[in-house]
Amino acid sequence: DAGVTQSPTHLIKTRGQQVTLRCSPKSGHDTVSWYQQALGQGPQFIFQYYEEEERQRGNFPDRFSGHQFPNYSSELNVNALLLGDSALYLCASSWVTGAPGKLFFGSGTQLSVL
Amino acid sequence: DQQVKQNSPSLSVQEGRISILNCDYTNSMFDYFLWYKKYPAEGPTFLISISSIKDKNEDGRFTVFLNKSAKHLSLHIVPSQPGDSAVYFCAAPNNAGNMLTFGGGTRLMVKP
Repeated sequence: DAGVTQSPTHLIKTRGQQVTLRCSPKSGHDTVSWYQQALGQGPQFIFQYYEEEERQRGNFPDRFSGHQFPNYSSELNVNALLLGDSALYLCASSWVTGAPGKLFFGSGTQLSVL
Repeated sequence: DQQVKQNSPSLSVQEGRISILNCDYTNSMFDYFLWYKKYPAEGPTFLISISSIKDKNEDGRFTVFLNKSAKHLSLHIVPSQPGDSAVYFCAAPNNAGNMLTFGGGTRLMVKP
Protein backbone atom coordinates (compact mmCIF):
# COMPACT_ATOMS: atom_id res chain seq x y z
CA ASP A 1 0.00 0.00 0.00
CA ALA A 2 1.63 3.23 -1.19
CA GLY A 3 1.63 6.04 1.28
CA VAL A 4 1.40 9.71 0.40
CA THR A 5 3.49 10.48 -2.67
CA GLN A 6 4.66 13.93 -3.72
CA SER A 7 6.36 15.17 -6.86
CA PRO A 8 8.82 16.54 -7.62
CA THR A 9 11.14 15.97 -4.64
CA HIS A 10 13.23 19.04 -5.40
CA LEU A 11 12.60 22.14 -7.46
CA ILE A 12 14.55 25.30 -8.22
CA LYS A 13 12.72 28.37 -9.48
CA THR A 14 13.41 32.06 -10.01
CA ARG A 15 11.61 34.96 -8.37
CA GLY A 16 8.38 35.82 -10.15
CA GLN A 17 7.89 32.35 -11.65
CA GLN A 18 5.01 30.02 -10.95
CA VAL A 19 5.22 26.48 -9.57
CA THR A 20 2.90 23.48 -9.31
CA LEU A 21 3.43 20.73 -6.76
CA ARG A 22 1.57 17.43 -6.85
CA CYS A 23 0.33 14.99 -4.26
CA SER A 24 -1.33 11.58 -4.29
CA PRO A 25 -2.98 10.66 -0.99
CA LYS A 26 -2.70 7.37 0.85
CA SER A 27 -5.09 4.78 -0.54
CA GLY A 28 -8.57 5.22 0.92
CA HIS A 29 -8.03 8.77 2.14
CA ASP A 30 -10.37 11.50 0.93
CA THR A 31 -8.85 14.67 2.41
CA VAL A 32 -5.61 16.42 1.46
CA SER A 33 -3.85 19.17 3.39
CA TRP A 34 -0.79 21.22 2.48
CA TYR A 35 1.82 22.58 4.88
CA GLN A 36 4.86 24.81 4.41
CA GLN A 37 7.90 24.12 6.56
CA ALA A 38 10.58 26.80 6.58
CA LEU A 39 14.07 25.86 7.74
CA GLY A 40 14.22 25.38 11.50
CA GLN A 41 10.48 25.86 11.99
CA GLY A 42 7.43 23.69 12.38
CA PRO A 43 5.05 23.05 9.49
CA GLN A 44 2.50 25.81 8.84
CA PHE A 45 -0.96 25.02 7.52
CA ILE A 46 -1.73 26.34 4.04
CA PHE A 47 -5.12 24.77 3.23
CA GLN A 48 -7.16 21.58 3.20
CA TYR A 49 -9.23 20.08 0.39
CA TYR A 50 -12.17 17.72 0.67
CA GLU A 51 -14.68 16.80 -2.05
CA GLU A 52 -12.72 18.99 -4.48
CA GLU A 53 -13.33 22.12 -2.41
CA GLU A 54 -11.13 24.19 -0.12
CA ARG A 55 -12.41 23.36 3.34
CA GLN A 56 -10.09 25.45 5.50
CA ARG A 57 -7.37 27.97 4.75
CA GLY A 58 -4.44 29.17 6.81
CA ASN A 59 -2.81 32.58 6.82
CA PHE A 60 -1.34 32.48 3.32
CA PRO A 61 -1.84 35.01 0.48
CA ASP A 62 -3.92 34.35 -2.60
CA ARG A 63 -0.73 33.57 -4.53
CA PHE A 64 -1.14 30.13 -2.97
CA SER A 65 -3.94 28.16 -4.56
CA GLY A 66 -4.87 24.54 -4.84
CA HIS A 67 -7.02 21.96 -6.42
CA GLN A 68 -8.31 18.50 -5.63
CA PHE A 69 -9.25 16.08 -8.36
CA PRO A 70 -12.01 13.43 -8.37
CA ASN A 71 -9.41 10.74 -7.57
CA TYR A 72 -8.52 12.74 -4.40
CA SER A 73 -5.07 13.76 -5.67
CA SER A 74 -4.16 17.40 -5.25
CA GLU A 75 -2.03 20.23 -6.59
CA LEU A 76 -0.56 23.26 -4.89
CA ASN A 77 0.13 26.26 -7.10
CA VAL A 78 2.21 29.24 -6.08
CA ASN A 79 2.30 32.31 -8.34
CA ALA A 80 4.76 35.21 -8.41
CA LEU A 81 7.33 33.35 -6.34
CA LEU A 82 9.23 35.25 -3.66
CA LEU A 83 12.55 34.35 -2.05
CA GLY A 84 10.62 33.74 1.18
CA ASP A 85 8.63 30.95 -0.49
CA SER A 86 11.73 28.75 -0.30
CA ALA A 87 10.70 25.91 2.00
CA LEU A 88 9.74 22.26 2.27
CA TYR A 89 6.15 21.77 1.13
CA LEU A 90 4.42 18.86 2.78
CA CYS A 91 1.26 17.17 1.65
CA ALA A 92 -0.77 15.17 4.16
CA SER A 93 -3.82 12.97 3.71
CA SER A 94 -6.49 11.72 6.09
CA TRP A 95 -10.08 10.52 6.33
CA VAL A 96 -12.58 13.31 6.84
CA THR A 97 -14.04 11.26 9.72
CA GLY A 98 -10.67 10.23 11.13
CA ALA A 99 -9.14 11.21 14.46
CA PRO A 100 -8.59 14.98 14.59
CA GLY A 101 -5.15 15.97 13.43
CA LYS A 102 -3.96 12.46 12.69
CA LEU A 103 -2.36 12.97 9.30
CA PHE A 104 -0.18 10.87 7.01
CA PHE A 105 2.54 12.99 5.44
CA GLY A 106 4.50 12.64 2.25
CA SER A 107 8.25 13.26 2.16
CA GLY A 108 7.74 16.73 0.77
CA THR A 109 8.91 18.90 -2.10
CA GLN A 110 11.93 21.07 -1.38
CA LEU A 111 11.41 24.36 -3.24
CA SER A 112 14.29 26.78 -3.68
CA VAL A 113 13.55 30.24 -5.08
CA LEU A 114 16.59 32.11 -6.40
CA ASP B 1 1.38 34.75 17.70
CA GLN B 2 2.78 31.28 18.36
CA GLN B 3 -0.05 29.29 19.90
CA VAL B 4 2.11 26.19 20.33
CA LYS B 5 5.69 26.57 21.53
CA GLN B 6 8.59 24.23 22.01
CA ASN B 7 11.23 26.23 23.82
CA SER B 8 14.08 23.74 23.55
CA PRO B 9 15.42 23.55 20.00
CA SER B 10 17.60 20.56 20.85
CA LEU B 11 18.11 17.86 23.47
CA SER B 12 20.93 15.35 23.87
CA VAL B 13 20.43 12.18 25.92
CA GLN B 14 22.44 9.03 26.59
CA GLU B 15 21.06 5.75 25.30
CA GLY B 16 18.93 4.01 27.93
CA ARG B 17 18.11 7.20 29.80
CA ILE B 18 14.84 9.15 29.78
CA SER B 19 14.14 11.85 27.17
CA ILE B 20 11.67 14.56 28.15
CA LEU B 21 10.40 16.91 25.45
CA ASN B 22 8.26 19.86 26.45
CA CYS B 23 5.53 21.86 24.76
CA ASP B 24 3.46 24.88 25.87
CA TYR B 25 0.28 26.26 24.35
CA THR B 26 -1.65 29.47 24.74
CA ASN B 27 -5.01 28.71 23.10
CA SER B 28 -7.50 27.48 25.74
CA MET B 29 -9.73 26.11 22.98
CA PHE B 30 -7.23 23.35 22.19
CA ASP B 31 -8.55 20.08 23.63
CA TYR B 32 -6.51 17.48 21.77
CA PHE B 33 -2.79 17.24 21.21
CA LEU B 34 -0.49 15.13 19.07
CA TRP B 35 3.21 14.42 18.82
CA TYR B 36 4.87 13.82 15.49
CA LYS B 37 8.38 12.55 14.78
CA LYS B 38 10.37 13.58 11.71
CA TYR B 39 13.50 11.97 10.30
CA PRO B 40 15.60 13.82 7.67
CA ALA B 41 14.23 13.54 4.12
CA GLU B 42 10.97 12.07 5.41
CA GLY B 43 7.61 13.56 6.29
CA PRO B 44 6.44 13.76 9.91
CA THR B 45 4.88 10.57 11.29
CA PHE B 46 2.26 10.42 14.02
CA LEU B 47 3.59 9.18 17.34
CA ILE B 48 1.04 9.60 20.12
CA SER B 49 -1.91 11.79 21.08
CA ILE B 50 -3.82 12.86 24.15
CA SER B 51 -7.28 14.27 24.77
CA SER B 52 -7.86 16.98 27.33
CA ILE B 53 -10.11 14.65 29.31
CA LYS B 54 -6.99 12.69 30.22
CA ASP B 55 -3.74 13.74 31.86
CA LYS B 56 -1.65 10.84 30.63
CA ASN B 57 -1.50 8.52 27.64
CA GLU B 58 1.01 5.72 27.24
CA ASP B 59 2.12 3.69 24.23
CA GLY B 60 5.07 1.43 24.81
CA ARG B 61 8.17 3.51 25.53
CA PHE B 62 6.29 6.75 24.85
CA THR B 63 4.13 8.60 27.37
CA VAL B 64 2.52 11.99 26.96
CA PHE B 65 1.48 14.04 30.00
CA LEU B 66 -0.95 16.95 29.88
CA ASN B 67 -1.23 19.69 32.50
CA LYS B 68 -4.24 21.76 31.45
CA SER B 69 -3.94 24.36 34.18
CA ALA B 70 -0.36 25.11 33.12
CA LYS B 71 -1.16 24.70 29.41
CA HIS B 72 1.80 22.35 29.19
CA LEU B 73 2.42 18.91 27.78
CA SER B 74 5.45 16.70 27.73
CA LEU B 75 6.59 13.60 25.90
CA HIS B 76 8.63 11.04 27.83
CA ILE B 77 10.66 8.37 26.05
CA VAL B 78 11.95 5.57 28.26
CA PRO B 79 14.39 4.04 27.58
CA SER B 80 15.77 6.26 24.82
CA GLN B 81 17.32 4.50 21.83
CA PRO B 82 19.63 5.83 19.08
CA GLY B 83 16.81 5.25 16.56
CA ASP B 84 14.74 7.82 18.45
CA SER B 85 17.08 10.57 17.19
CA ALA B 86 14.78 12.82 15.18
CA VAL B 87 12.91 16.12 15.34
CA TYR B 88 9.78 15.97 17.49
CA PHE B 89 6.83 18.31 16.97
CA CYS B 90 3.86 18.83 19.22
CA ALA B 91 0.68 19.93 17.48
CA ALA B 92 -2.93 20.82 18.21
CA PRO B 93 -5.93 20.71 15.84
CA ASN B 94 -8.58 23.42 15.64
CA ASN B 95 -12.11 22.61 16.78
CA ALA B 96 -13.11 21.43 13.32
CA GLY B 97 -10.13 19.07 13.35
CA ASN B 98 -9.01 20.12 9.89
CA MET B 99 -6.04 22.35 10.67
CA LEU B 100 -2.99 21.53 12.78
CA THR B 101 -0.93 24.15 14.59
CA PHE B 102 2.62 22.89 15.13
CA GLY B 103 5.32 23.91 17.55
CA GLY B 104 8.78 24.73 16.23
CA GLY B 105 10.17 21.29 17.01
CA THR B 106 12.87 19.83 19.26
CA ARG B 107 15.80 17.92 17.78
CA LEU B 108 16.52 14.89 19.96
CA MET B 109 19.92 13.22 19.76
CA VAL B 110 20.35 9.91 21.57
CA LYS B 111 24.00 8.98 22.00
CA PRO B 112 25.01 5.30 22.02
